[in-house]
Amino acid sequence: AQKVTQAQTEISVVEKEDVTLDCVYETRDTTYYLFWYKQPPSGELVFLIRRNSFDEQNEISGRYSWNFQKSTSSFNFTITASQVVDSAVYFCALSEARGGADGLTFGKGTHLIIQP
Amino acid sequence: DTAVSQTPKYLVTQMGNDKSIKCEQNLGHDTMYWYKQDSKKFLKIMFSYNNKELIINETVPNRFSPKSPDKAHLNLHINSLELGDSAVYFCASSPTGSGNSPLHFGNGTRLTVT
Repeated sequence: AQKVTQAQTEISVVEKEDVTLDCVYETRDTTYYLFWYKQPPSGELVFLIRRNSFDEQNEISGRYSWNFQKSTSSFNFTITASQVVDSAVYFCALSEARGGADGLTFGKGTHLIIQP
Repeated sequence: DTAVSQTPKYLVTQMGNDKSIKCEQNLGHDTMYWYKQDSKKFLKIMFSYNNKELIINETVPNRFSPKSPDKAHLNLHINSLELGDSAVYFCASSPTGSGNSPLHFGNGTRLTVT
């Protein structure tokens, strides 16, 4: 069975600090996909990134970067120079390759608070 | 313009009532889902439909019945509402065929049962 663990329930930092959100996953499949979603206070779920299990390249998008390490089953998310608008709940999620109809398994989320 | 739309956004009702939440997607996706987000923000899949056929039915009470009249719509009907049904319900869609497609979520329906 697949599982996603986000051990950090809540993180609070001061604006402009860097912050890393941890995600550890479990799966028996060799092919799988990892995702990050953002849920701002307004409540919608915003897709941020997808990574497949064959691609261990790290990715950077502006102030956001993602570090995928198969050896430790981790897919961590770093925000550089955090801003108040980054305050949200962030979810890591996993999908196995057998079919999209199985949906995503989500972690419990990390509530990120950026203080001005 | 909205890709996945749910109505209503808020739903307040009393215990024992029956209510429905509607969902429509204009993305041409074949697969649609219902997720429940509880008060602790945990997101759990309830159902998935592929081309109007039920694929996943997680352990939810049979008071919850999804209905898919066509592949662009997946409605959720809830009978005999209970206090514990209070949550935010998200509809989502994705293309079929592989697990690598992100889900596109609606904005959620906040259900409050009093």
